[in-house]
Amino acid sequence: KQEVTQIPAALSVPEGENLVLNCSFTDSAIYNLQWFRQDPGKGLTSLLLIQSSQREQTSGRLNASLDKSSGRSTLYIAASQPGDSATYLCAVETGANSKLTFGKGITLSVRP
Amino acid sequence: EPEVTQTPSHQVTQMGQEVILRCVPISNHLYFYWYRQILGQKVEFLVSFYNNEISEKSEIFDDQFSVERPDGSNFTLKIRSTKLEDSAMYFCASRRETTGELFFGEGSRLTVL
Repeated sequence: KQEVTQIPAALSVPEGENLVLNCSFTDSAIYNLQWFRQDPGKGLTSLLLIQSSQREQTSGRLNASLDKSSGRSTLYIAASQPGDSATYLCAVETGANSKLTFGKGITLSVRP
Repeated sequence: EPEVTQTPSHQVTQMGQEVILRCVPISNHLYFYWYRQILGQKVEFLVSFYNNEISEKSEIFDDQFSVERPDGSNFTLKIRSTKLEDSAMYFCASRRETTGELFFGEGSRLTVL
């Protein structure tokens, strides 16, 4: 059974800092991995999707990497801003069009 | 930008009552999903739906739950007889075929009293 872990549960950084959010998963046979952002009481906003054959994806100040063999992904946020404050969720899909298994998320607070 | 829309945003109901949560997936998407998030817990998969039938469901999705696509645009989740433990945020999602990316709605918060 796939398990997704995100540690730490919460992170507080000063504005402008570059930071890395970690995600690990137990079964390396994944189809893809997706990072989401969730603001309090809101839905999930897709940030980046990495296919199993890819190593990384970039969108603006965000870069996500995937190391399938070690069961890890990282989300790199460059030059963090207070508006980046949110919970960041990692989710893996183990088969085409299959369900996503989510981590519990990392709640990020960027201090002005 | 097309988006997944959900109604209602919040519903309060008495235990034992039936509830229907509604979703309008993105129009050219073919796979639809329901997930739920109990307060403070992980987002959990409930059910996936393709070609007018359930393609996968979790252990949570028991006989009290059902899904339907009553017309060309709506996708509904029905809970027949709500329990206190059904209180959660319910998210609908649809999949972009070309990339496999899932897009989620804003959620429907269900409170069972």
